[in-house]
Amino acid sequence: DGGITQSPKYLFRKEGQNVTLSCEQNLNHDAMYWYRQDPGQGLRLIYYSQIVNDFQKGDIAEGYSVSREKKESFPLTVTSAQKNPTAFYLCASSESSNQPQHFGDGTRLSIL
Amino acid sequence: GQQVMQIPQYQHVQEGEDFTTYCNSSTTLSNIQWYKQRPGGHPVFLIQLVKSGEVKKQKRLTFQFGEAKKNSSLHITATQTTDVGTYFCAGSPGGSYIPTFGRGTSLIVHP
Repeated sequence: DGGITQSPKYLFRKEGQNVTLSCEQNLNHDAMYWYRQDPGQGLRLIYYSQIVNDFQKGDIAEGYSVSREKKESFPLTVTSAQKNPTAFYLCASSESSNQPQHFGDGTRLSIL
Repeated sequence: GQQVMQIPQYQHVQEGEDFTTYCNSSTTLSNIQWYKQRPGGHPVFLIQLVKSGEVKKQKRLTFQFGEAKKNSSLHITATQTTDVGTYFCAGSPGGSYIPTFGRGTSLIVHP
């Protein structure tokens, strides 16, 4: 069954720690994206990747990092430099840049 | 850079009333996509419009793309409680540009 998988569903972080959110897709999509969603807010783009081994900053990249070493995987690291990391993080993929996006179920990150 | 404005931000309706959300882009779009996010869920792709003046229907939902390809609308006829959620538009100028999402319209349906 093809799809996009995010893990974990819930994540708790102590202040000063880096955490990595996983995103895997088996749709053979070239493009992958990370969004942040705060309560009652829209989707804000953190990073995106249009092809393996390449990625671009989105609107709110500060305090985050990504890698795209494999086509299927696009992990997001929330670093200690991110001042307010508590949010709902959504990963998405699409066949190419301007095609419809398929979203994962999301990861809810909270600070302890 | 490209901006996509979506209004209204919230809409309360009584069940059975109609609902419309509007999306406007600062630049001409190659295509526009619509998504629905149920409370606690993730956005799910509904439809993509690519032609000037295009109108597409999905049961009680009607999607329109403006003649100038800078605006779009989603109209729901006779809302039901299952329509509750946030509706997002996402517009792309084409080429290698990724879509820009609007802020979404949250629909609340009162039974």
